[in-house]
Amino acid sequence: DAGVTQSPTHLIKTRGQHVTLRCSPISGHKSVSWYQQVLGQGPQFIFQYYEKEERGRGNFPDRFSARQFPNYSSELNVNALLLGDSALYLCASSLGTITDTQYFGPGTRLTVL
Amino acid sequence: AQSVTQLGSHVSVSEGALVLLRCNYSSSVPPYLFWYVQYPNQGLQLLLKYTSAATLVKGINGFEAEFKKSETSFHLTKPSAHMSDAAEYFCAVRNNAGNMLTFGGGTRLMVKP
Repeated sequence: DAGVTQSPTHLIKTRGQHVTLRCSPISGHKSVSWYQQVLGQGPQFIFQYYEKEERGRGNFPDRFSARQFPNYSSELNVNALLLGDSALYLCASSLGTITDTQYFGPGTRLTVL
Repeated sequence: AQSVTQLGSHVSVSEGALVLLRCNYSSSVPPYLFWYVQYPNQGLQLLLKYTSAATLVKGINGFEAEFKKSETSFHLTKPSAHMSDAAEYFCAVRNNAGNMLTFGGGTRLMVKP
């Protein structure tokens, strides 16, 4: 079975631009979470969505938003990009209950110039 | 709020030597704990998880971890290091609601021939 997939693999943007990152969960998984991993650090939680509803939000500004579609895929949007937004953005999927393990995709490497 | 501390951002061992990666957690309730591994330019792969069933948890690739409540620790070990074990290792704790993981800063394991 296919794992979590993310697109694009790499992305280069300039300050002030907007970006959309996409994630497809493992088949049968209904929950998607987003994490930001700055170089040299551990991932930081941004959002979790379950059944198309936001179930958790980390300490990120309102420039960050996300949504989940009926097929459980998800988009992460970042507006007004800053240099500090440069990071690896990881998507994780899980079945959906609180005891489930999160499985991570390969990530999208975003570079903001 | 949960937190994770990984002692030692870099650990170097010889091939065949014992691997010990340290993780201490802070949690107000019985924790769910995880170890993930990240190879260069890849996402996170689950090594093992503790969910209160047994204090000694066996994972993939010969790794195991022992949960010690009195020490609030969940250290990762492997009896004999392989060159292929060279990677970044992250310890994580899940929050009460089960919707987010809090990661440590990571430990880069280097294996010398």
